[in-house]
Amino acid sequence: GAGVSQSPSNKVTEKGKDVELRCDPISGHTALYWYRQRLGQGLEFLIYFQGNSAPDKSGLPSDRFSAERTGESVSTLTIQRTQQEDSAVYLCASSLNGRDTGELFFGEGSRLTVL
Amino acid sequence: AQSVSQHNHHVILSEAASLELGCNYSYGGTVNLFWYVQYPGQHLQLLLKYFSGDPLVKGIKGFEAEFIKSKFSFNLRKPSVQWSDTAEYFCAVNAPTGGFKTIFGAGTRLFVKA
Repeated sequence: GAGVSQSPSNKVTEKGKDVELRCDPISGHTALYWYRQRLGQGLEFLIYFQGNSAPDKSGLPSDRFSAERTGESVSTLTIQRTQQEDSAVYLCASSLNGRDTGELFFGEGSRLTVL
Repeated sequence: AQSVSQHNHHVILSEAASLELGCNYSYGGTVNLFWYVQYPGQHLQLLLKYFSGDPLVKGIKGFEAEFIKSKFSFNLRKPSVQWSDTAEYFCAVNAPTGGFKTIFGAGTRLFVKA
């Protein structure tokens, strides 16, 4: 596609429910990143994919968070048993090749609200 | 570990005022430096980047940034701001030995009064 696409754009869920957030990167981009942005705060790195593998998962806050990527394309970030502190905007970005110095192209984000 | 520090969280300026937003990073090796901008209601986009060469980098919309290696700084400047520059600005860094994981600062919210 023309840009990075994320869905849903908004998600309201009850505490304890599982949520899935989807990211469709720019076609041909092999690197994909997930970030979290809490209200009034900066971008918090969660996980990075190079192709289908995740060389860096160091930012995942707990074992309730997981992510996968299939076919060097779509990625899904799953949050199990959501908590109120999970409320944030989850941003996905892609780049042509994570091993070069290219810029990140961001999606619009998925705003998650946990009640 | 890499980290990025932005000194100002909120800046308010009048149109035509000069802008300088501070950014310091902590990493001893070779780094690539970026400024991203998020205009209200829009997604993050690249403003400018530094990889090597001339430490004074020109970006879009009249912005520039200067890499000072000895100070581990990459400050963003614009000589005369416009109302349309109202946005949030993020400094970011990545490094080859860091696996090109891009780390962002906390951001600076700029409000330009018309």
